[in-house]
Amino acid sequence: GAGVSQSPSNKVTEKGKDVELRCDPISGHTALYWYRQSLGQGLEFLIYFQGNSAPDKSGLPSDRFSAERTGGSVSTLTIQRTQQEDSAVYLCASSSRGWDTEAFFGQGTRLTVV
Amino acid sequence: SQKIEQNSEALNIQEGKTATLTCNYTNYSPAYLQWYRQDPGRGPVFLLLIRENEKEKRKERLKVTFDTTLKQSLFHITASQPADSATYLCALATFIQAGTALIFGKGTTLSVSS
Repeated sequence: GAGVSQSPSNKVTEKGKDVELRCDPISGHTALYWYRQSLGQGLEFLIYFQGNSAPDKSGLPSDRFSAERTGGSVSTLTIQRTQQEDSAVYLCASSSRGWDTEAFFGQGTRLTVV
Repeated sequence: SQKIEQNSEALNIQEGKTATLTCNYTNYSPAYLQWYRQDPGRGPVFLLLIRENEKEKRKERLKVTFDTTLKQSLFHITASQPADSATYLCALATFIQAGTALIFGKGTTLSVSS
């Protein structure tokens, strides 16, 4: 596609439920990032995929968070047993190589846990 | 791990003046440093990338400098306009478990008044 696409754009879920957030990166981009942005805060790094290599999960805040990237393209971020503190905007970005090239961001998924 | 500090959370200036935003980092000098703009409710948008061997880079009314001795980058917007009002984010690579990833500062919110 023309840009990074994220779905859904908004998600309201009940505390304790699992949610899946999807990211379609720009075709051909090998690097994919997930970030979390709480209200009025900066971008918190969550996870990074580079090609088909094993992802770096060092930024994931707890073991309730996981992510996968199928076929080096589409990525899914899963949050299990959601808590109210998980409420934030989840942003996905892709770049053609990695940190030495510009990152293109999606519009984000706003997650609200009630 | 690398830490990024953007000097102020908010900067208010008059239209026509030059805005100067600061980004400081704490550890090793990255090979690349990037600046992004973020508008409310949107994902960040790439503005400029500067390499460690480039002291200065310009794009229209934007100018970025990179001083590896001071561990600092300055971002200038000349002849500022109300449309420049946004949050500006500094980003650079940091070593993580599986390689390097792009991390962001908390940003400086610029308000340009007419």
